[in-house]
Amino acid sequence: AQTVTQSQPEMSVQEAETVTLSCTYDTSESNYYLFWYKQPPSRQMILVIRQEAYKQQNATENRFSVNFQKAAKSFSLKISDSQLGDTAMYFCASVYNNDMRFGAGTRLTVKP
Amino acid sequence: DTGVSQDPRHKITKRGQNVTFRCDPISEHNRLYWYRQTLGQGPEFLTYFQNEAQLEKSRLLSDRFSAERPKGSFSTLEIQRTEQGDSAMYLCASSLVGNPSNYGYTFGSGTRLTVV
Repeated sequence: AQTVTQSQPEMSVQEAETVTLSCTYDTSESNYYLFWYKQPPSRQMILVIRQEAYKQQNATENRFSVNFQKAAKSFSLKISDSQLGDTAMYFCASVYNNDMRFGAGTRLTVKP
Repeated sequence: DTGVSQDPRHKITKRGQNVTFRCDPISEHNRLYWYRQTLGQGPEFLTYFQNEAQLEKSRLLSDRFSAERPKGSFSTLEIQRTEQGDSAMYLCASSLVGNPSNYGYTFGSGTRLTVV
């Protein structure tokens, strides 16, 4: 079974600064995928970034990047140049064989 | 394609009533998932379909819950004899199996159920 842990229930950051959200996971599988999803107050889940476990290179999508440490089973999300629109719940998730499991989420508030 | 659609967006029902939610996935996606999300928590897996076959059901899915995907397109989730503990957001997602470049799920906006 896969489990995903997000140890930061809430975080805040000043606009234009950088913030890192933590995620650890546990799986016995060797080939899996990791994701960060954003859920704004409107509630629709939006894919932020994905990482394939067999790729060592950390994924990057514009201001969003990950620090994937496979041996440590760690998958943190870094948001650079934070914007007010980044305020949302952020969920880390792991997928193996199309079975996606989520962490409890981190509520991020970007302050002006 | 307008993405994953869920109907209704909100549903208020009295305890003991039956409710049914609908999900229309992205048309070319062959997998469809139902999740339940309570306030402040991450989505919890309920069940998923590949085409019309229901391949897995979570232990969270009691006998009062039933899901169908009769033609491998839209899906319905029915809750019978609703209880206050059923109050939650019910999320639907879809994905395409076998396409590694599209391994993420696309979520709908959810149906918020309130049982009074």
